Amino acid sequence: NAGVTQTPKFQVLKTGQSMTLQCAQDMNHEYMSWYRQDPGMGLRLIHYSVGAGITDQGEVPNGYNVSRSTTEDFPLRLLSAAPSQTSVYFCASRDRGSRAFFGQGTRLTVV
Amino acid sequence: EDQVTQSPEALRLQEGESSSLNCSYTVSGLRGLFWYRQDPGKGPEFLFTLYSAGEEKEKERLKATLTKKESFLHITAPKPEDSATYLCAVQTPRGATNKLIFGTGTLLAVQP
Repeated sequence: NAGVTQTPKFQVLKTGQSMTLQCAQDMNHEYMSWYRQDPGMGLRLIHYSVGAGITDQGEVPNGYNVSRSTTEDFPLRLLSAAPSQTSVYFCASRDRGSRAFFGQGTRLTVV
Repeated sequence: EDQVTQSPEALRLQEGESSSLNCSYTVSGLRGLFWYRQDPGKGPEFLFTLYSAGEEKEKERLKATLTKKESFLHITAPKPEDSATYLCAVQTPRGATNKLIFGTGTLLAVQP
C-alpha cells in the first residue's frame, strides 16, 4: 500500500518562479488537504478538498492554488514563489474516522 | 478562537524514565482529539483518536487519555526508539467541514 505519495521531496526555487507540488493517494479517501509546517508554528492548513471538483481555502491560502479533478490527485500550485513560502509541505488524506494519513513531505526553499 | 497548546516544547528522558506529554485545548464542540508521531524528515504518523472525556487508548508503551480540557500522552519505560516529535490535533465542527487544528508538538529525546 503506497498511501499518500508526494513529489518532489526537495525543491529550490527562485523568487517569482512557479511550480506544482504533486500529491496522490490510493486509499479512496474523499478528504484531502495541504499543510505547511514551520518551526514553532505547527501544521497550518493551506487548502483542502472534500471530494473531486470541490476545494476550499484553509488558514493560509494566499499564494497557492489547488484543484481536484480526481479522487486520487490533489496538486498544490505556487503561483509566484516568495521567500516566505520556504517551508515543509505535507499532503494528507483523511478516512471516514477523520484519521489523517500524511505524505513524506516536500522541503521547499525559495531564494 | 479554537486553540491547541502542547507542553513541554521539548523533553529529555533517560531510557526507562516514565513521563507524560500534555495537550490542552479550547474548542467549541470537540469532535475528536488525535495524537501523531513525527520522525525527522517524515510526515506525521497516526497514533490514537479520543472522542470523549474519560476515554483511554493504549499502544505498546504509550497511553493517551482525555479530559474535557486536555489530553495526556503517557510514556511508560521509554526506549530510544520512542524519540520523536509528538503532535496533538483537535477536530472541530466549525464550518462546512471538520478541520484539524494542530499543536506545535513536543520533541521527545530518550537517551540510552
